[in-house]
Amino acid sequence: GAVVSQHPSWVICKSGTSVKIECRSLDFQATTMFWYRQFPKQSLMLMATSNEGSKATYEQGVEKDKFLINHASLTLSTLTVTSAHPEDSSFYICSATGTGGGYEQYFGPGTRLTVT
Amino acid sequence: DQQVKQNSPSLSVQEGRISILNCDYTNSMFDYFLWYKKYPAEGPTFLISISSIKDKNEDGRFTVFLNKSAKHLSLHIVPSQPGDSAVYFCAAGRTGNQFYFGTGTSLTVIP
Repeated sequence: GAVVSQHPSWVICKSGTSVKIECRSLDFQATTMFWYRQFPKQSLMLMATSNEGSKATYEQGVEKDKFLINHASLTLSTLTVTSAHPEDSSFYICSATGTGGGYEQYFGPGTRLTVT
Repeated sequence: DQQVKQNSPSLSVQEGRISILNCDYTNSMFDYFLWYKKYPAEGPTFLISISSIKDKNEDGRFTVFLNKSAKHLSLHIVPSQPGDSAVYFCAAGRTGNQFYFGTGTSLTVIP
């Protein structure tokens, strides 16, 4: 099946610093990528939807200036958490849909962010 | 307001028996439904899907049933195996739009 990778898988950073998380589709072109956040024992919550070459669409309550999303190519989207705070500590997961028309979203393995 | 609900946070089943995981949704416009499996510290992996034009889809040991009138879908795993122990999320949505996820059901298959 389609493969989506994320890097890094785990990152620890200090409050006030910025962290970039990469999401790559390895064997297909991802026209749309989604960024989710998962709190412990809770569901995946969609943060934003990004289409290649255009600005991301953020869900209500998600600060677009804090969570910068760039979908510069059909195989790469990045999420930058700016001026991170401990409450940003979470599990961030990206997913991608390809150009084949299927509705499945292929998920990356996730990135665990810990802000100290 | 949660559009997709999984009311059972956990389920334990003996190896070899059937596991039934349930999911309810509120939006009658949803036309595509998926189940994902998630191991700890890993991202969800796609398991099986069903579109609203069907009421059943089977893939090996996994079968998804859709009851549109009740806005309910279920995932049956038979026979259950210890390796099936994971958290299972259902998701629902409209074609071309975002999907909404349930809170997950943690399945434990007891050897």
